[in-house]
Formats: sequence, C-alpha cells, structure tokens
Amino acid sequence: DIVVTQSPLSLPVTPGESASISCRSSQSLLRSNGYNYLDWYLQKPGQSPQLLIYLASNRASGVPDRFSGSGSGTDFTLKITKVEAEDVGVYYCMQGLQPPYTFGQGTKLEIK
Amino acid sequence: QVQLVQSGGGLVEPGGSLRLSCAASGFIFGDYYMSWIRQAPGKGLEWVSCISSTSSYTKYEDSVKGRFTISRDNAKNLLYLQMNSLRAEDTAVYYCAKGLEYLAYWGQGTLVTVSS
Repeated sequence: DIVVTQSPLSLPVTPGESASISCRSSQSLLRSNGYNYLDWYLQKPGQSPQLLIYLASNRASGVPDRFSGSGSGTDFTLKITKVEAEDVGVYYCMQGLQPPYTFGQGTKLEIK
Repeated sequence: QVQLVQSGGGLVEPGGSLRLSCAASGFIFGDYYMSWIRQAPGKGLEWVSCISSTSSYTKYEDSVKGRFTISRDNAKNLLYLQMNSLRAEDTAVYYCAKGLEYLAYWGQGTLVTVSS
C-alpha cells in the first residue's frame, strides 16, 4: 500500500498570512499520462470533507484562488495565501493512483 | 446541483449487519465511479470501497474484504454498502462520494455504531 505522510499535523496561522502543508508519498504518484494522482481535501468542523485540489494542481469548482497545489512524484504542497477565519479545519491529502486509496493523517489549521 | 443523500446508519451489535444507502441526484449517476470512505470517532479518513459505473469493477480495503459488499442500482440512482459481521472497529461515520481518483462530492455522512 502507498503510505502518505503529511506535515505539520498542527498549523496555527495569523489571519492574512500564508500557510503551507506538505504531503509525501512512499512511491511516485506520477502516472504515464503525465498526471500526479494527489488530491487535497478540507474538512471544516462538523462538515463532510470537500475537494480543494485534484491531480496535484487543479482547483476544484468554487475553490478560491488563495488555494494552490504543487509538486510531482512523491512531494506535494498545498499553499494557502491570505488565510481567513473560514479556512479553519483539517486538511487531508489523498493518493488516487491505486487502491487502496490512502489519506494522510490530516493537518489541523487553526487561527491564532 | 449534485446531491448525495445518505441513509441507513445506526446502532448494531457485534456480528450484526447493516446496509447503507446513498441517493444521488444532479448528475448522470450511471456514468461515474462511486466510493465509500469512513471516519472513526476523532480519527482521520479511511477509504473503504469503490465501484465502477457498470458495477463490473469493485475494490475493498483489506479489513472489510469478505464482510462488506458495495453495489449500485443505476436505474434508481442508488449506491449501497452492505456490511456484515460488523466489529467494534467498524464504528465510524461513513461517507459516500462521487468519483474514484478524486472525490468531487460527498454525502452528509451516516454514523454506524457497533456495540453491545
């Protein structure tokens, strides 16, 4: 199984500042079609998870451009610029390359 | 708009069975893979199972293989998860989701509690 590791697990951020979350996989998530099968989700308190970024760098519909994804192979980053209070929650990365699809442990973003 | 409305959770004794349902609307259900994901209380997300658009392909996480069965009825726009031989460690909120390699829409979740 592919192991996905996130860091940090806790991320206190001052409103208006930027934040980054790292996700590393135990094997390359790059498929021969050129796509990296890594997604980012946000689970706000008391809600179902929502898709933020798919295939490493594509913003899902309705996601503000403050959110961006980058990386390739085994190293990926989610960056949030100008963090707002509504961004609090737990962020998860997930590898979609092969089953069993696996999630990172989650990064809890809180506002300072 | 896409909606996934779940039903069927509840309290069940160890060894018991439960069937979860997920009613889809707002998209052509029969064109898409569907997935189930669960979240134990206070824990992270765990992928459980997926099914292809025509039901020809299914996959399961190892701990549920042989006990859980995913299925779908494209005529009724319904996704199911039949859970047998339930264990305490299956206690979780179960989510259905549209998609496979990325999960674009999620249901509201349904709590399954396995306890005597």
